[in-house]
Amino acid sequence: DAMVIQNPRYQVTQFGKPVTLSCSQTLNHNVMYWYQQKSSQAPKLLFHYYDKDFNNEADTPDNFQSRRPNTSFCFLDIRSPGLGDAAMYLCATSGGRNTEAFFGQGTRLTVV
Amino acid sequence: GQNIDQPTEMTATEGAIVQINCTYQTSGFNGLFWYQQHAGEAPTFLSYNVLDGLEEKGRFSSFLSRSKGYSYLLLKELQMKDSASYLCAVRDPLGTYKYIFGTGTRLKVLA
Repeated sequence: DAMVIQNPRYQVTQFGKPVTLSCSQTLNHNVMYWYQQKSSQAPKLLFHYYDKDFNNEADTPDNFQSRRPNTSFCFLDIRSPGLGDAAMYLCATSGGRNTEAFFGQGTRLTVV
Repeated sequence: GQNIDQPTEMTATEGAIVQINCTYQTSGFNGLFWYQQHAGEAPTFLSYNVLDGLEEKGRFSSFLSRSKGYSYLLLKELQMKDSASYLCAVRDPLGTYKYIFGTGTRLKVLA
């Protein structure tokens, strides 16, 4: 059974048109993460939540925003996607200090 | 700064043993994780070390030396399905639970 679910798996959006990616989890984990991964590169952390506490990485562009309305759901909003934002977006969760991160299947974003 | 280095690519033969190295220089350390990632898919957890030494899990083992900032993942009895990228990640200890990933090692297993 999938524990971290991302929708959709594939998303095509137009240049400049706002897009939202969603993530849900059944693990009841405190921490949720959004990573951006481009081809042959490391996953790059955009931001993460510890419960409702939001932690933004210093180099995450303002174009990327996130919401976590409750423990189970987290959203990534890209306000004005550019061609450089085409990537795989990975959502992950963690239960705390001594556990691994669990990843969703990812959403592959294409910008046209 | 944070720096995690892995070889870019490795090739090995089915049935063989391969060792994938990872060196890290991070401002802190609270565990090192190995993930497997097949092309176009999400990373899946393989192994975790927080203390020095070897952790064994079936065909996979991982070793850590904190004083040297060094880890390796050992894969035994290689199978074709082991062809994937292997990502090394360090967890930030500063209470924020961040995982910092290396660029990964692309392993090709040949028949």
